[in-house]
Amino acid sequence: KQEVTQIPAALSVPEGENLVLNCSFTDSAIYNLQWFRQDPGKGLTSLLLIQSSQREQTSGRLNASLDKSSGRSTLYIAASQPGDSATYLCAVEDAGGTSYGKLTFGQGTILTVHP
Amino acid sequence: DAGITQSPRHKVTETGTPVTLRCHQTENHRYMYWYRQDPGHGLRLIHYSYGVKDTDKGEVSDGYSVSRSKTEDFLLTLESATSSQTSVYFCAATALGTANYGYTFGSGTRLTVV
Repeated sequence: KQEVTQIPAALSVPEGENLVLNCSFTDSAIYNLQWFRQDPGKGLTSLLLIQSSQREQTSGRLNASLDKSSGRSTLYIAASQPGDSATYLCAVEDAGGTSYGKLTFGQGTILTVHP
Repeated sequence: DAGITQSPRHKVTETGTPVTLRCHQTENHRYMYWYRQDPGHGLRLIHYSYGVKDTDKGEVSDGYSVSRSKTEDFLLTLESATSSQTSVYFCAATALGTANYGYTFGSGTRLTVV
């Protein structure tokens, strides 16, 4: 059974810092890995999707990397801003058999960026 | 904002009563999902659908059933609500199989079973 772990569980940084969120997964047979953002009381917003054949994806100040063989992904946020404060969730879509797009989520990292 | 609408947003119900949560999408996606989010567990898959009338169980399906009679609507029913089903429920949809498909999530339904 796939298990996804995110470290740290919570992170507090001053505005302007570059930071790294970590995600690990136990079964390397995946189709893709995704990073989501969740604001309090809201749904999830998709940030980045990395296919299993890719090493990284970038969107603005966000860069996500994937090392499938070691079961690790990192989300790098450059020049953090208070508006980046949210919970960041990592999720994998397992390979093997027919894919129905089912995701296994980590428990998330709560990020607080203070002015 | 088009995408996914969940109703109701909040509900308090009594133990033993049936409850139905509704998910409506405007994106014509074939694949839809119900997840629950609980502290310490993250999001866990309850049921999913890969087409009209095509559904299957997820990781935590006991006590839940689903129906999908139209592409746009995916209903989650708690047959006899229990306190352990107090949670936040999220619906999601995706255009799986298309290039760079992403997932759209609803804003969630907060369900309290008393």
